[in-house]
Amino acid sequence: EVQLVESGGGLVQPGRSLRLSCAASGFTFDDYAMHWVRQVPGKGLEWVSGLSWNGGSIGYADSVKGRFTVSRDNAKNFMYLEMNSLRAEDTALYYCAKDVSVGWYAGSLDMWGQGTMVTVSS
Amino acid sequence: SALTQPASVSGSLGQSITISCTGTSSDLGTYNLVSWYQRHPGKAPKLIIYEGNKRPSGISNRFSGSKPDNTASLTISGLQAEDEADYFCCSYAGRNTVVFGGGTKLTVL
Repeated sequence: EVQLVESGGGLVQPGRSLRLSCAASGFTFDDYAMHWVRQVPGKGLEWVSGLSWNGGSIGYADSVKGRFTVSRDNAKNFMYLEMNSLRAEDTALYYCAKDVSVGWYAGSLDMWGQGTMVTVSS
Repeated sequence: SALTQPASVSGSLGQSITISCTGTSSDLGTYNLVSWYQRHPGKAPKLIIYEGNKRPSGISNRFSGSKPDNTASLTISGLQAEDEADYFCCSYAGRNTVVFGGGTKLTVL
């Protein structure tokens, strides 16, 4: 069974850092690009970042560029999102998602985790 | 910036509806890399159309996608009660970014 499990969310003060993890199982992890997408509860979806099968190609939303860093460890079947200089507007449910392809440009996310909540507040 | 979708659409059981997704010459106008997602309350989004008009395995052929110029469309035919959900379009937007639409709430009457 294909499974994506996010972890690392929680309550953090503005300006601090947090690292999210995504554990993948049930598929050949290094055959696919991966993404982070966030959702403010009750609101829409915002793409955060994507990286190719080997991490050689990476993209970020303008809203997080320079503050967030995405990475993956294909040996461990994990993807990470390092979030620095967090702001109140980063408060959201963060999803990890798998792409149908090796590249992330198409944004074709066919499997999603259940999300991990990040709350940025003093 | 986000792709533009109508906030809501509605249709009766058995009818067809179309949800539009309007972009610019920088995203939809240049790239045929549109995907559509269905989201039920409290659930993770589900991919229903990718690369413009492809359906993932298990997705009903009642769902179809098209993309003339700067506007992409999702058509759902033979509306069923379980189609009531939020729908989001998504596209590559150039400059190493991907963008979602604001979402459309579909009500099945």
